[in-house]
Order: sequence, then structure tokens, then C-alpha cells
Amino acid sequence: AQKITQTQPGMFVQEKEAVTLDCTYDTSDPSYGLFWYKQPSSGEMIFLIYQGSYDQQNATEGRYSLNFQKARKSANLVISASQLGDSAMYFCAMRYRAGSARQLTFGSGTQLTVLP
Amino acid sequence: DGGITQSPKYLFRKEGQNVTLSCEQNLNHDAMYWYRQDPGQGLRLIYYSQIVNDFQKGDIAEGYSVSREKKESFPLTVTSAQKNPTAFYLCASTKGTLRDGANVLTFGAGSRLTVL
Repeated sequence: AQKITQTQPGMFVQEKEAVTLDCTYDTSDPSYGLFWYKQPSSGEMIFLIYQGSYDQQNATEGRYSLNFQKARKSANLVISASQLGDSAMYFCAMRYRAGSARQLTFGSGTQLTVLP
Repeated sequence: DGGITQSPKYLFRKEGQNVTLSCEQNLNHDAMYWYRQDPGQGLRLIYYSQIVNDFQKGDIAEGYSVSREKKESFPLTVTSAQKNPTAFYLCASTKGTLRDGANVLTFGAGSRLTVL
């Protein structure tokens, strides 16, 4: 079964500090992809970063980086220099094979609060 | 600007009534998806469509129906058979399918349905 686990329901971080949001996954598919999305209180899901299972280097996008440890099946999101606007719900998701198609499964999310 | 428009943003329904949520995209995307989000949970896939006039059930399709008569439109009907329809519903789309590498879901702003 394909599964994403986010064990931190809520996290607090001081403005300008770095924070790591945890994500572990389980899949038997050798070809998969890992995504992080941000959901502000407005509700829209915003794509942040992607890591393919065969990518050798960790993905980075501006202040976001993905700490991909394949052997541990973890794909943690690191946000550097936190800003007040980073306060939101963060979801980890995995693309996996479902028959002839590909689907995404999402974790339960982590609510990040950035403190001034 | 291109994007996904969901309407209405808020909807109230009496028990036993069907209700249709609209999803329109002007991104020229091929595939469209409907997800349901409940508090404290990740997104769960209801239905998806990869081409016009074709759609597939997701993980929680019971009590829902969809149509894909036009590339731009993918309406979701929540029927009276859905036992617990109160939730936040998100529509998404992708240019190709999720099979294609880092192909990313683009989301609408969501529709919040409350059953009275």
C-alpha cells in the first residue's frame, strides 16, 4: 500500500529561523515522485517543490529544499529564513503507480506557525 | 491569467438534495481531478479525467458523479447517496498525466459544502 506519514500536526518557528517539516513514505514502486504543497487559510493548494525517486541531488526552490533520504524513505521539507507569510498548512504527497495510471496520495499535513 | 475557477466558494445543502460544484480551467490542461479534504486529513481523490468524455473513479467515488463534456470543465455532483458530504472540495488539473515526470497539480481555490 502507498502511504505518506506526517507526524507533526503542528510546528512553531521564530521568524528568520529555519524549520524542517517531516515526511516519510512507503511504496513498493521503484519509480515515484514526492511533492510538497502549501495551503494558506484561503484554501488553495500551492506547489512548492518536487523530488523524483531517481534524482541524485536534493531538490531546491528558493528558500525551500527537500532533504531526500531514500534508504530511510523520508522527504523532509526545509524552509530557510522563515517569514510570517509561511504560516500555513503543509502537505507532503507521493505519486505512485495505480494500474496503468499514476495517482497522488497525500499526508495529513503539518500546520506551521511563524512567530514574530 | 490562466487558472482554475471553482464555484460556488461556499454552499449549503439540505439533506437529500443533490448539489453540483463547478470547476473550469483555462490552462489548456488535459487531465482534471476532484479531491475531498476533511479537517485534520489529507486530500482524497474522488474522480479524475484524463481526456474528454472519459473519467475514472478515485478512492472515494461513492455518492459522487462527474462529467467531462468539454476539456475546460469538470463538474462534480454530490448526490443524496453521499452519507457525509460536508467537506472542502478541491478541483485540480495537469497538462499531461501524472505519469509525466514532475507534472504538477494546479489547484482551484476550493468549494466548502455544508449539509444542514
